[in-house]
Amino acid sequence: AQSVTQLDSQVPVFEEAPVELRCNYSSSVSVYLFWYVQYPNQGLQLLLKYLSGSTLVESINGFEAEFNKSQTSFHLRKPSVHISDTAEYFCAVSRTSGTYKYIFGTGTRLKVLA
Amino acid sequence: DTGVSQNPRHKITKRGQNVTFRCDPISEHNRLYWYRQTLGQGPEFLTYFQNEAQLEKSRLLSDRFSAERPKGSFSTLEIQRTEQGDSAMYLCASSADHGRINTGELFFGEGSRLTVL
Repeated sequence: AQSVTQLDSQVPVFEEAPVELRCNYSSSVSVYLFWYVQYPNQGLQLLLKYLSGSTLVESINGFEAEFNKSQTSFHLRKPSVHISDTAEYFCAVSRTSGTYKYIFGTGTRLKVLA
Repeated sequence: DTGVSQNPRHKITKRGQNVTFRCDPISEHNRLYWYRQTLGQGPEFLTYFQNEAQLEKSRLLSDRFSAERPKGSFSTLEIQRTEQGDSAMYLCASSADHGRINTGELFFGEGSRLTVL
């Protein structure tokens, strides 16, 4: 079975500062990894995903995440955050084949302060 | 708008009553998922369908829960004899993956919030 751990339930950070949201996963088989974002009163949206190839993936709004197989991590980073990045961020994992179930972490609430 | 649609958005009910939620996925998506999310937690997997076939169910889905997707399009999630512990946001998602390889992303609806008094 797969599992996801997001150790930080809340991360406050000042605007224009860098941020890292941590995600570790556990799996005995190969996996795909995802970051979803949930803005207040909205549904979850895909932020970025790792399927294969380059271990560094980027989103259109400046976030990036790096797949580290040896450390079983997929941390999310942004060099300079904006107030509009305030949201809940969820890391998720799914197997590459055999089942299409996605397992989510408990989420990290990012609060960007002015 | 051709996103995932869920109804009703909010439901308040008394303990012991039955409730039903409906999900209309993106039209060409063959997979449909139900998740439950409680405050401070991530989405918890309940079940998923490929077309009309229910392929996997979580142990969280007790006998009081039933989900259907009769024609491979919309889906319903029914909770019978609701309990206060059923209070949560019920999320529906769909994806367009085909074949045996999982390569896609989930497209979520805005959820149906259930409050059991």
